[in-house]
Amino acid sequence: QSALTQPPSASGSPGQSVTISCTGTSSDVGNYDYVSWYKQHPGKAPKLMIYEVSKRPSGVPDRFSGSKSGYTASLTVSGLQTEDEADYYCSSFGGSSNVIFGGGTKLTVL
Amino acid sequence: QVQLVQSGAEVKTPGASVKVSCKGSGYSFSGYYIHWVRQAPGQGLEWMGRMGSNSGGTDYAQNFQGRVTMTRDTSISTAYMELRSLRSDDTAVYYCARDPEGFTQRGLDYWGQGTLVTVSS
Repeated sequence: QSALTQPPSASGSPGQSVTISCTGTSSDVGNYDYVSWYKQHPGKAPKLMIYEVSKRPSGVPDRFSGSKSGYTASLTVSGLQTEDEADYYCSSFGGSSNVIFGGGTKLTVL
Repeated sequence: QVQLVQSGAEVKTPGASVKVSCKGSGYSFSGYYIHWVRQAPGQGLEWMGRMGSNSGGTDYAQNFQGRVTMTRDTSISTAYMELRSLRSDDTAVYYCARDPEGFTQRGLDYWGQGTLVTVSS
């Protein structure tokens, strides 16, 4: 299966909101509500930010929210802060004992 | 606190094998799945496969079928990932990550620090 499609980059000014999309197919994003989002700073391990499309693990600020419509999942970061600048990856259960990641989006806080 | 601690960096020649370890602590090791994810330099995350820490059952990504083996030793709460017939494009940071459900239904909630594997002649 192919990687989920994410825009290579996104940006916003402090205090603004930005949304990152993650597009899959009927075999993955469109068929399961098992979409997760991860944040990764350079040289560091990824950190879980969202699971099951829209749920936040304990400790993740409510500025981070997730949603899904059809084959596309989205991560919205509201009230952008400088520490939000990082790479963001989506993933989905792909059926057939498979997990798929997106190509990643570099979020820049201007 | 929950921790996954991986073995150190490795340098291998093409055709060799590498075995990376991932030791869990601060939780019941057998109650979770361990996934392996790699990241080539400057690239995105790539799922390699997963293993049930209790059952030892495995599922591998198609790209790695026949070349990867995931095992565990529950007595020391450690998971292993062995990759064979290494090529230069296997140069990457290899991560282990914990999964409470099996197929990331609740996400990969804790990650190891990563192990850099360099394949070079």
